[in-house]
Amino acid sequence: DTAVSQTPKYLVTQMGNDKSIKCEQNLGHDTMYWYKQDSKKFLKIMFSYNNKELIINETVPNRFSPKSPDKAHLNLHINSLELGDSAVYFCASSQVGTRFRGYTFGSGTRLTVV
Amino acid sequence: DAKTTQPPSMDCAEGRAANLPCNHSTISGNEYVYWYRQIHSQGPQYIIHGLKNNETNEMASLIITEDRKSSTLILPHATLRDTAVYYCIVGRDDKIIFGKGTRLHILP
Repeated sequence: DTAVSQTPKYLVTQMGNDKSIKCEQNLGHDTMYWYKQDSKKFLKIMFSYNNKELIINETVPNRFSPKSPDKAHLNLHINSLELGDSAVYFCASSQVGTRFRGYTFGSGTRLTVV
Repeated sequence: DAKTTQPPSMDCAEGRAANLPCNHSTISGNEYVYWYRQIHSQGPQYIIHGLKNNETNEMASLIITEDRKSSTLILPHATLRDTAVYYCIVGRDDKIIFGKGTRLHILP
């Protein structure tokens, strides 16, 4: 069983479109995250949710909207896609506090905007 | 912003111990040291973390200096599969900020 699963794995779309990436974790963790890795391989945190509540919202265009329907899911919706949004997006989860055992990352979604 | 300094790349012979250094001279008292790695095209993988004491798990050992201003990750018997970018991160459990990392090449 995959601990943190993201869909789709690859996404190619045209500029201006709206797309969503889904993430699910079956680890029982209380916190989930979205990271973006650009072409220079820098990993940047975008959002984090703890028990469905938004905790971290870094300087990300408001075209990006995370949604957490429950503790096990954190989806990322992107409106009006731009060329600069092309990147690999990683979802992660963790259990914050005394039971912390590191972040578990998904395998990534490679988004290409053409 | 990342609060750590790591060498951009290192080589290690297969079967030898790989010692990856990290400087974090501005670490605060309640901040942990975390190590992750990213193997090509995969998601980052948690390795180990510590606050003050040295830590060991099935993957690696973490040695933190007494003043906590630097640390070393030790992979005791490196294999080709350990070739990856290794990230040393200082911070809190709920916000991991990645820096540039060290690209470790394991040589056959």
